[in-house]
Amino acid sequence: GQNIDQPTEMTATEGAIVQINCTYQTSGFNGLFWYQQHAGEAPTFLSYNVLDGLEEKGRFSSFLSRSKGYSYLLLKELQMKDSASYLCAVSRTDSNYQLIWGAGTKLIIKP
Amino acid sequence: ETGVTQTPRHLVMGMTNKKSLKCEQHLGHNAMYWYKQSAKKPLELMFVYSLEERVENNSVPSRFSPECPNSSHLFLHLHTLQPEDSALYLCASSQDWRDGSYNEQFFGPGTRLTVL
Repeated sequence: GQNIDQPTEMTATEGAIVQINCTYQTSGFNGLFWYQQHAGEAPTFLSYNVLDGLEEKGRFSSFLSRSKGYSYLLLKELQMKDSASYLCAVSRTDSNYQLIWGAGTKLIIKP
Repeated sequence: ETGVTQTPRHLVMGMTNKKSLKCEQHLGHNAMYWYKQSAKKPLELMFVYSLEERVENNSVPSRFSPECPNSSHLFLHLHTLQPEDSALYLCASSQDWRDGSYNEQFFGPGTRLTVL
């Protein structure tokens, strides 16, 4: 079946680095998205990976290994405003390219 | 207005009421989506419209009825809902994905629905 797993909740300290993992089991893989969602707000796009490797964008980086069905989102120099849920989603060619979503990881940043 | 807007932001309704949720996108996209988001659960795709044609209907109960009059507007008509339908309903839009390009989706702020 189709499955996406990510930790339910993580805690980190302001200024530190945190890695949020996402593993998936899907057919017809066509790329992996990371979204950020602050409480009570819309999810917003962070990154997209379709090839293996690391994509860096400022303080945020996203990594993909298609052979392992694994991705992570790396957040550096954590700020209090990074407290949010981080959603992993996979696009599949055999579901009309629609996204299959993980349940999200709630990241709590402490001073 | 910019991006994707949704109204109302909050809605409380009884099980016998009829109401509608509205979504409007100002991004020039040609695909629109309805999602249901319940606490600690993955986003559930309900409906997808591309070029005003419904292309996905993921086994959603008939008490939810979508309408897409044009590529900028999307409605979700609600009637005789159940308490378990209480959730955040998110609208999103994207460019059509059928040329193989990735479909980055832009979300509205959602409607928080409570069914009593």
